Amino acid sequence: DSGVTQTPKHLITATGQRVTLRCSPRSGDLSVYWYQQSLDQGLQFLIQYYNGEERAKGNILERFSAQQFPDLHSELNLSSLELGDSALYFCASSVGGKTEAFFGQGTRLTVV
Amino acid sequence: TQLLEQSPQFLSIQEGENLTVYCNSSSVFSSLQWYRQEPGEGPVLLVTVVTGGEVKKLKRLTFQFGDARKDSSLHITAAQPGDTGLYLCAGGGSNYKLTFGKGTLLTVNP
Repeated sequence: DSGVTQTPKHLITATGQRVTLRCSPRSGDLSVYWYQQSLDQGLQFLIQYYNGEERAKGNILERFSAQQFPDLHSELNLSSLELGDSALYFCASSVGGKTEAFFGQGTRLTVV
Repeated sequence: TQLLEQSPQFLSIQEGENLTVYCNSSSVFSSLQWYRQEPGEGPVLLVTVVTGGEVKKLKRLTFQFGDARKDSSLHITAAQPGDTGLYLCAGGGSNYKLTFGKGTLLTVNP
């Protein structure tokens, strides 16, 4: 158990819909990262937050947004969903700005 | 854009064999991590190397960071079925984000 909690574990939704994925980082970790993993693209960095502020941005689509709340949990919002958005979405956390990341078990999103 | 290429992409061996997987880039990284991921689970951190030429051992696993901090290798001695999984390398940059390779899928057959 990494200490990072992601909910829900599985999500099935229709195209055009909007979903919210939730992440609770390890106790004491200030950084939260979101990654997307698909079979053909591997693990892709989406966005990082540090203590409530956006720190780094990767290949995140405009239809996607995230935020980190004062209690340090984070949410990833995916809207106008397309079939190609089907993937595993991982949240990871780390101490401060260190790059050693501890991953949650992921949310498997299926868009039908 | 920093890219990490891992090779081989797939590796299937018999229990007891040795193997090496590679992680290469044209970019310099401040640190290099190796993770192992099992089906349905998130990646689990195995090791971090930060100094060029650094070698770290974790039981039967030996990790090496290249002198120029652009590449790394993972050597497993006497592989066991429990070593089966997706091995991912990730490079750390100055902006704290991790750049991941696509991984090497290792299968160790009993």
